[in-house]
Amino acid sequence: NAGVMQNPRHLVRRRGQEARLRCSPMKGHSHVYWYRQLPEEGLKFMVYLQKENIIDESGMPKERFSAEFPKEGPSILRIQQVVRGDSAAYFCASSPEGQETQYFGPGTRLLVL
Amino acid sequence: GENVEQHPSTLSVQEGDSAVIKCTYSDSASNYFPWYKQELGKRPQLIIDIRSNVGEKKDQRIAVTLNKTAKHFSLHITETQPEDSAVYFCAASKGGYQKVTFGTGTKLQVIP
Repeated sequence: NAGVMQNPRHLVRRRGQEARLRCSPMKGHSHVYWYRQLPEEGLKFMVYLQKENIIDESGMPKERFSAEFPKEGPSILRIQQVVRGDSAAYFCASSPEGQETQYFGPGTRLLVL
Repeated sequence: GENVEQHPSTLSVQEGDSAVIKCTYSDSASNYFPWYKQELGKRPQLIIDIRSNVGEKKDQRIAVTLNKTAKHFSLHITETQPEDSAVYFCAASKGGYQKVTFGTGTKLQVIP
């Protein structure tokens, strides 16, 4: 059973471009969470999704950021018009039905030039 | 919302000694407390967790204690080894599929 997968692992964007980060949860997991980690800091919750539904987006910036988890395919975190402050590691986690344990992916390290 | 504080931010111990990391949380409704280990450039990995109906849990050299009344929980690592060197995060959640709130991390260095 492959673990949580994220791609790309590293992403470089110029200010104003769009960043799309993908997360494939573990097989059988239907709950997906996105977290952001700034250098030397802890993980900050952004959004929690189930298939085709956003359950909790209380940690997501109101502008430029969006997330989806379609019926088919990976979950996508989309950042429009990136700014330098968006540079961070973005981690996805997933959990199965009936369990609260979250398993993390390897992260996508976004660098905005 | 929930606020998790973690101390110390850095910790150096001699190999073989014990390490203790302490956390406090603010939301009395939190009932699930996982601990994650993150090596440099790697993903956070769950090392142990505890639920509020339990006061202590052990797994080999790792133990976690929880004081619900004081809203404190701690991680204890005994007989530390160099491979224990990493950043450790405590976290709190209301359980179920609720979001997890992380502490700010403790960078543990085990000196051979």
